[in-house]
Amino acid sequence: GAGVSQSPSNKVTEKGKDVELRCDPISGHTALYWYRQSLGQGLEFLIYFQGNSAPDKSGLPSDRFSAERTGGSVSTLTIQRTQQEDSAVYLCASSPRGAHGYTFGSGTRLTVV
Amino acid sequence: SQKIEQNSEALNIQEGKTATLTCNYTNYSPAYLQWYRQDPGRGPVFLLLIRENEKEKRKERLKVTFDTTLKQSLFHITASQPADSATYLCALDGPGGSYIPTFGRGTSLIVHP
Repeated sequence: GAGVSQSPSNKVTEKGKDVELRCDPISGHTALYWYRQSLGQGLEFLIYFQGNSAPDKSGLPSDRFSAERTGGSVSTLTIQRTQQEDSAVYLCASSPRGAHGYTFGSGTRLTVV
Repeated sequence: SQKIEQNSEALNIQEGKTATLTCNYTNYSPAYLQWYRQDPGRGPVFLLLIRENEKEKRKERLKVTFDTTLKQSLFHITASQPADSATYLCALDGPGGSYIPTFGRGTSLIVHP
């Protein structure tokens, strides 16, 4: 596609429910990143995928968070048993291999009530 | 630990003036430094990349400098316009081929007509 697509754009969920956030990167981009941005805060790294290599999960804040990337393209970030502190904007970015400029999607605003 | 500092106070300037934003970092030796623009409700948009062996980079009305001795980057917008009003983020990645950028919290720029 023309850009990085994320869905849904907004998600309101009840505390304790599981949520899935989707990212569709730019076609041909081998690198895919998930970040989250809380109100007034910087971007917090969550997870990084590069081609078929094992993902770098060093930023995941707890074992309630997981992500997968199927066929080197679409990625899904799953948050289990959501907590209020999970409320944030979840951003996905992609880039070609070896590049150091990243294209972001518009994000998913997650609100846990 | 790695730390990136951007002025948390908004920068207010008059249209036509040059805006200068600062990014300082500590405990870090990045190979690449990037600047992004972020508008409310949107993901960051990549603007410029500068490498550690480059002192200055220009693109249209934008200029970035990178001083690895001072551990500082300056981002300039000349002939600023109200449409330049946004939050500007700096990001660092590398060395050692690391492709996981660390972002500053950003500085809000407000250009008054």
